[in-house]
Amino acid sequence: DGGITQSPKYLFRKEGQNVTLSCEQNLNHDAMYWYRQDPGQGLRLIYYSQIVNDFQKGDIAEGYSVSREKKESFPLTVTSAQKNPTAFYLCASSIGGGSNYGYTFGSGTRLTVV
Amino acid sequence: GENVGLHLPTLSVQEGDNSIINCAYSNSASDYFIWYKQESGKGPQFIIDIRSNMDKRQGQRVTVLLNKTVKHLSLQIAATQPGDSAVYFCADTFSGTYKYIFGTGTRLKVLA
Repeated sequence: DGGITQSPKYLFRKEGQNVTLSCEQNLNHDAMYWYRQDPGQGLRLIYYSQIVNDFQKGDIAEGYSVSREKKESFPLTVTSAQKNPTAFYLCASSIGGGSNYGYTFGSGTRLTVV
Repeated sequence: GENVGLHLPTLSVQEGDNSIINCAYSNSASDYFIWYKQESGKGPQFIIDIRSNMDKRQGQRVTVLLNKTVKHLSLQIAATQPGDSAVYFCADTFSGTYKYIFGTGTRLKVLA
């Protein structure tokens, strides 16, 4: 089955530590995205990538970094510079960008600072 | 659900009744709209979409209505079932951008 896989499902981070969230898709989608979901708020875009070796900042990129070395993979690193990292992180992909394509979402990673 | 928590508006519906979930959007240039369903602990799932050249679109047990005059979108679920219990949110975008604007969501509770 084609899909998008996020791992781990739960992640705990100590203060000052960097952590990396994995996102892999086998849908042959060009575009991939990272969103953050907080209670009472809509999804907020962290980073997106339209094509391999290219990515763009979203609305809340500070304290995060990404890479897109392979079409299938778009890992997100939450750095120590992110002051409030506790949230639910969602990865998504789409065939292309723009208003003609909806997203396929992964099942999410819940990150908690301990 | 852990992922969209505590302060969402909630709609409680008796099993078998119809549900109507509403969403307002702000960008008059938006031309593509999607409804997503998110169950506890899972990522959002696509339900139905509609483009701005339409005002109604029907799927299986679901209907989306678009009123561009007042920038309002609604999702109607017919004969609501326990499996419909989830958080529902809308998203909109416009041509030439990769960016969607997501609503905060409405929690649907189906009462047996």
